[in-house]
Amino acid sequence: NAGVTQTPKFQVLKTGQSMTLQCAQDMNHNSMYWYRQDPGMGLRLIYYSASEGTTDKGEVPNGYNVSRLNKREFSLRLESAAPSQTSVYFCASIVLGARGYTFGSGTRLTVV
Amino acid sequence: AQSVAQPEDQVNVAEGNPLTVKCTYSVSGNPYLFWYVQYPNRGLQFLLKYITGDNLVKGSYGFEAEFNKSQTSFHLKKPSALVSDSALYFCAVRDMGGATNKLIFGTGTLLAVQP
Repeated sequence: NAGVTQTPKFQVLKTGQSMTLQCAQDMNHNSMYWYRQDPGMGLRLIYYSASEGTTDKGEVPNGYNVSRLNKREFSLRLESAAPSQTSVYFCASIVLGARGYTFGSGTRLTVV
Repeated sequence: AQSVAQPEDQVNVAEGNPLTVKCTYSVSGNPYLFWYVQYPNRGLQFLLKYITGDNLVKGSYGFEAEFNKSQTSFHLKKPSALVSDSALYFCAVRDMGGATNKLIFGTGTLLAVQP
């Protein structure tokens, strides 16, 4: 099925551990985004990639890095996880002129 | 800077009654506005958008939204609520500072429809 696929769905990390959240879309979309969702704060943009080969910081980039591996894949890396990064992470993609973002189902990350 | 505000953390409505979820925006120029819905443990789903044209926009699942430029509002409405409409609703505005399609989201409103 066409859409945005995120892995893993759930993850528990210890403080200081690293991990990479994977995101892939099969809709030939140009732009991809990583958001985090926290209670009472809505969705905040971490990083985005307007097109293959480009990445830019969003509203809350500290503690994260990203890679736009190709047009399909956009990964988010936590180099040294902190409890403040406990959140639900969503990947989204869009093609210009489309109705709106297509979101993945999310990764629920807990840092202890 | 562009922003959206959702003044209500939660809206309670009885099944069969009309519902309204409020959203106000602040942008420079003409806004691109969106509504998304999130069901428990799911990603966000697109409901509707306003780009230009008719101020009343119809979307999925019987929802509609009214764009009001003078009040800078984009309220989500439905004539008759269903229990299955219970979910978290987000208003969003496109960041017009460049061709990046970034969306700025409100904090969300939890809609609870009682049977």
